[in-house]
This record gives sequence, C-alpha cells and structure tokens, in this order.
Amino acid sequence: KNEVEQSPQNLTAQEGEFITINCSYSVGISALHWLQQHPGGGIVSLFMLSSGKKKHGRLIATINIQEKHSSLHITASHPRDSAVYICAVTPGYGNKLVFGAGTILRVKS
Amino acid sequence: SAVISQKPSRDICQRGTSLTIQCQVDSQVTMMFWYRQQPGQSLTLIATANQGSEATYESGFVIDKFPISRPNLTFSTLTVSNMSPEDSSIYLCSVRGLAGGETQYFGPGTRLLVL
Repeated sequence: KNEVEQSPQNLTAQEGEFITINCSYSVGISALHWLQQHPGGGIVSLFMLSSGKKKHGRLIATINIQEKHSSLHITASHPRDSAVYICAVTPGYGNKLVFGAGTILRVKS
Repeated sequence: SAVISQKPSRDICQRGTSLTIQCQVDSQVTMMFWYRQQPGQSLTLIATANQGSEATYESGFVIDKFPISRPNLTFSTLTVSNMSPEDSSIYLCSVRGLAGGETQYFGPGTRLLVL
C-alpha cells in the first residue's frame, strides 16, 4: 500500500463545476503539500499545510490530521485549471517528500 | 518564494554520452533535491544534494551514473552518465528551506531524450 493515496486518478469536469480531489496518507507527517503540474512539465506549489484550512483565490485546501486526510477544492472551475494535481507529504521521520500518484484534471468549456 | 532556473531546458543526446544539468536558485536554500519523472509517472527522488559533501542517493540510483555536485547553497549540477534510451525523462531540481521555510519549490525541469 502506498503511503500517499489520491482519488480520483482522473477527473473530467464542466467549466464552473466545484471540484474536490482527495488525499489520504498513512504516516505521521510534519506537512502536506498540494502541487500542480501543467502539461509543459512545470510544477507549482499550491499549498503547504500542517493543520486546518488555506485558501488562495478559487483554491481551498483542508487537512484533518486525526483522520490523515486532506482535500483540495477548486471552485468555479475553468479550463485553465486542467493539470495534474499532486499530493505529497513530508513524513515526520525524514526530509524527503512522499508523493501521491497524482490526479489528472480536465475541465471542459 | 524561490525562483529556480535549470539549464538546459531540453536536449536530445546520443546513447553513451553524458549530460550535465545545472540548477540555480535565486537565494540560499537548505535542501536541494534532484528528481526524475518518466513519461506518465510521478516524481522519483534520485538524490539529495549536500553542500560540501557527497550526495545522498536513493535506492536504485548510484553516484557513477548520476554524479551530483553542490558547491554552495544556491547551485547544484546533476550529470546523467553513459546515457541510454531508458534515461529519457524530465529531470527536476527542487529546493526547500528557504529562509527556514518548509514549502518545496520546483525548477522548470530538463526534458531529456536519448536516442
């Protein structure tokens, strides 16, 4: 079993829809990261969380430490949100990120 | 935030040759990492670049194949040696520990195709 599991693997949405991507992890962590990778390959750090909730524009990230679960929400989705969204954790036992497999999001106009 | 540049951005190489990828950060960082991303796959950590000492390699990666240098807190190189088509990947530099922060930043990547 992977230490970081994401769902769904693939997601297709219509423009304007509310989108949720889930991430579960099985190890103790010091932080959880949400990353966005566009088709050109560049990776952008969207959020780093250790508790609670963060919001940036139309993106919201939440984490529940007790349940070892995080969600990334996109409100009013747009085709430019189409990308791979990756959940990663910094385990409590080390410095290296452990990555989920990623969620491929496609938003259709 | 950190601005990371990588050179080259892409290259096409012949098998048996070597390529050195440079990673430059606009400020000093604590940790520098090198990742590989094969087509359709997630990121795989190659090694952690340590300033002033040998890099720490992950299982399956060895110094002879992927020598790494990190002469200071803002610069690192990764060499892909004796390349084969299986080395065709995106290679990404990543940093953490900017001013003590824990956000991890990624470079734009180097797309390598080995013929």
